Amino acid sequence: GAVVSQHPSRVICKSGTSVKIECRSLDFQATTMFWYRQFPKQSLMLMATSNEGSKATYEQGVEKDKFLINHASLTLSTLTVTSAHPEDSSFYICSARAEGGTEAFFGQGTRLTVV
Amino acid sequence: EDQVTQSPEALRLQEGESSSLNCSYTVSGLRGLFWYRQDPGKGPEFLFTLYSAGEEKEKERLKATLTKKESFLHITAPKPEDSATYLCAVRVGDSNYGQNFVFGPGTRLSVLP
Repeated sequence: GAVVSQHPSRVICKSGTSVKIECRSLDFQATTMFWYRQFPKQSLMLMATSNEGSKATYEQGVEKDKFLINHASLTLSTLTVTSAHPEDSSFYICSARAEGGTEAFFGQGTRLTVV
Repeated sequence: EDQVTQSPEALRLQEGESSSLNCSYTVSGLRGLFWYRQDPGKGPEFLFTLYSAGEEKEKERLKATLTKKESFLHITAPKPEDSATYLCAVRVGDSNYGQNFVFGPGTRLSVLP
C-alpha cells in the first residue's frame, strides 16, 4: 500500500509556543490531505481537508487561525499548532489521498503534549 | 447528519473464538465504507473498502460484509495479535473535493491466549 510519513511521532512543547507537524506522501502524489485529532479511547475527528495549492477547509469548531494548514506541494502538508495550550495535547493524524483515488492512507500520528 | 456507530464498544475473545463487529451508518451520498485497524499510539491501517450492498472482502482471518445500513467485520479463529481497535469509516460527499471520511468510535478487541 501507499506510504504516508508523519513527523515527529512525539513532541513536547511549552505552553504558548508553536509546533509544526509534517505529513508526507512518499510514493504517490496526494492531491487531498486530511488532518484528524484523536483523544484517548475516542475515534478520529476530522479537523480540516486540504487540496494542494488551495486553502484548507476547516470543520465546524476548529479554529483556522490556531491550526494552520499548508499543502503547498503534492507530497507535503503541514499542520502548525500556534500558541499551544495544554488542552491542545492530543494525537494528531494525517491522511492522504491521490487524485481519483478511493482510499486514504494514514500517517503514524503525532503525540503532542503541551506542558 | 452523517453518523457512524460501532458495536460493541469493547470485545474480549479467547484465542480461536470467532465473532463479529458491527458498523451501522446513516449517511447521504455514500462513496464507500472502510475498515481500519489501529494499534495504540499508531495511525489507522487500511483493511478493506466496500462499495455496494452484498459485497464481501476477505483477508486472512478477517471478512467484511456490507448491507444498505451496516457492515460487519467477521473475525474467524482470532489470535492475540489481532488485538487492536477496529475503526469503521464511510466516505461521503458529492464531489471529489468535498468528500471526506466520517469515522465510527471504534471497537476495542482483545484476544486472550
